[in-house]
Amino acid sequence: EPEVTQTPSHQVTQMGQEVILRCVPISNHLYFYWYRQILGQKVEFLVSFYNNEISEKSEIFDDQFSVERPDGSNFTLKIRSTKLEDSAMYFCASTRGVSYEQYFGPGTRLTVT
Amino acid sequence: AQSVTQPDIHITVSEGASLELRCNYSYGATPYLFWYVQSPGQGLQLLLKYFSGDTLVQGIKGFEAEFKRSQSSFNLRKPSVHWSDAAEYFCAVGVDGNEKLTFGTGTRLTIIP
Repeated sequence: EPEVTQTPSHQVTQMGQEVILRCVPISNHLYFYWYRQILGQKVEFLVSFYNNEISEKSEIFDDQFSVERPDGSNFTLKIRSTKLEDSAMYFCASTRGVSYEQYFGPGTRLTVT
Repeated sequence: AQSVTQPDIHITVSEGASLELRCNYSYGATPYLFWYVQSPGQGLQLLLKYFSGDTLVQGIKGFEAEFKRSQSSFNLRKPSVHWSDAAEYFCAVGVDGNEKLTFGTGTRLTIIP
């Protein structure tokens, strides 16, 4: 069964450093998402991406964040200058359409020290 | 904006007993409703979904959920839990044309022998 994959599973970085989280969505899916989950809290929407552009973003997704689909398979989330409060689990998700369920990857745990 | 409430933060159930996890949503029209499960250190796995039609939906692992419009609820049930069901359960709502999912705060399920 096809699945969403994410790398790395755990990333440790120092405050102020740039990080790139990578995702490979399911191959025939057209819509891509990033969510985050701060430890002990609920999953929060960050951004949705369709047709090579952002379709919606949350208040969390400020100028420090960017997304890209550099090729036909990868979908990345970049945080330019990480802050302590960026420490969280980041989930990538994909779906073939807005009326279909989203499939989530296993997540990348980002720890900012 | 839509919202999701899971009133039970933590539930403890004996193995073999029945289970019901509560979920209430707030939205003016009929949303798309989902239940996801998250095992420790794992990603989010879709248990079941409701888009339209029969208000009682069956999911994986023996779970079912019932959409009740009059109560704005989508409660998850299982007639007999297994130790492997211990996990965090998230209810989520999506709105047609609005791609993001809004999650509840989750219910942690503990199974005792």
